[in-house]
Amino acid sequence: EPEVTQTPSHQVTQMGQEVILRCVPISNHLYFYWYRQILGQKVEFLVSFYNNEISEKSEIFDDQFSVERPDGSNFTLKIRSTKLEDSAMYFCASSEGTSVPDTQYFGPGTRLTVL
Amino acid sequence: DQQVKQNSPSLSVQEGRISILNCDYTNSMFDYFLWYKKYPAEGPTFLISISSIKDKNEDGRFTVFLNKSAKHLSLHIVPSQPGDSAVYFCAASRIGNEKLTFGTGTRLTIIP
Repeated sequence: EPEVTQTPSHQVTQMGQEVILRCVPISNHLYFYWYRQILGQKVEFLVSFYNNEISEKSEIFDDQFSVERPDGSNFTLKIRSTKLEDSAMYFCASSEGTSVPDTQYFGPGTRLTVL
Repeated sequence: DQQVKQNSPSLSVQEGRISILNCDYTNSMFDYFLWYKKYPAEGPTFLISISSIKDKNEDGRFTVFLNKSAKHLSLHIVPSQPGDSAVYFCAASRIGNEKLTFGTGTRLTIIP
């Protein structure tokens, strides 16, 4: 069964460093998303991406964040200058985008630890 | 942001019995609701969904009920199995808007 994959599974970085989290969405899906879950808190929406542009973003998704689909398979989340409070699980999701309503399928997540 | 609430952080159920997980929402614009199951160190796995034009959707052992007037939905699992032990998240969205709003989750433990 097709699935969303994410790399790395765990990323440790120093505060102020740039990180790139990678995702390979399900191949025929058209919508891509990033969510995060800070330890002990809810899963929170960050951004959705369709047709090579951001379709919606949350207040969390400020200028320090960016997303890109650099090729036909990868979808990345970049955090330019990490802060301690960026430590969280980051989940990528994708959906077909051809049905209404649409169901999002999630990857296993990347645990980001900012020291 | 308390638009989607799961008031029970945990629930224990005997194997073979029915598990009922509850979720309340406050935003009347939500019209699509989903349940996800999550094991430790894994991403949320889609279980079942319901749109607001229905009040019940069933898939095998899983049934979701939606009460729009009460802004309440529930997930029934019957019979409960040990592999059902996980954290269950309720999520909601508006059809045509991709953002999912999640509840805080309920940890379900099935007792053999």
